[in-house]
Amino acid sequence: DAGVIQSPRHEVTEMGQEVTLRCKPISGHNSLFWYRQTMMRGLELLIYFNNNVPIDDSGMPEDRFSAKMPNASFSTLKIQPSEPRDSAVYFCASSLAGTRSHEQYFGPGTRLTVT
Amino acid sequence: SQKIEQNSEALNIQEGKTATLTCNYTNYSPAYLQWYRQDPGRGPVFLLLIRENEKEKRKERLKVTFDTTLKQSLFHITASQPADSATYLCAPANQAGTALIFGKGTTLSVSS
Repeated sequence: DAGVIQSPRHEVTEMGQEVTLRCKPISGHNSLFWYRQTMMRGLELLIYFNNNVPIDDSGMPEDRFSAKMPNASFSTLKIQPSEPRDSAVYFCASSLAGTRSHEQYFGPGTRLTVT
Repeated sequence: SQKIEQNSEALNIQEGKTATLTCNYTNYSPAYLQWYRQDPGRGPVFLLLIRENEKEKRKERLKVTFDTTLKQSLFHITASQPADSATYLCAPANQAGTALIFGKGTTLSVSS
């Protein structure tokens, strides 16, 4: 398996533009997580899905952020409009809920820079 | 609010010594706790999981303890090597689901 795939790996955009980050989880996994990592705040959970349904989006900073999971093999995180304070590395992770392991598999991340 | 603290942002040790990293949590009663390793420019990688009813878990040179009374987990790397240099994150998790809250991590540097 290729692992969790994220695209793009790097994104540079201007303030006010729309940004869409993409994630393909590991085949067969039924839970998907979006995290944001900064030096100041560390790794923060934004939202997670079980069986394509959003379970907890309390970590989404504000209405400018939205996430979708239209099917088991694809998810998007959208920021509209983007702001400089959104600059961070965004990680997607997947896991197989209901097993004893609970370990999460992370993608390589998308480094977002908003100027 | 739930809080996770990992000891000192950076830990420097000599090759061959044992590294001990600390994870303390407050306002939290996790059912289990996970440890991850993160290398620069990469996503975290799972290392070990320990459950609330387990005192200790080992995997090769790694050992994790979990004290629910002290609300603390210790992560040990014995016979440390320069290749162990990385940031280590702890993540307690609740009973209901698989949502993780991560500590900010401790960056370990092992010098030869």
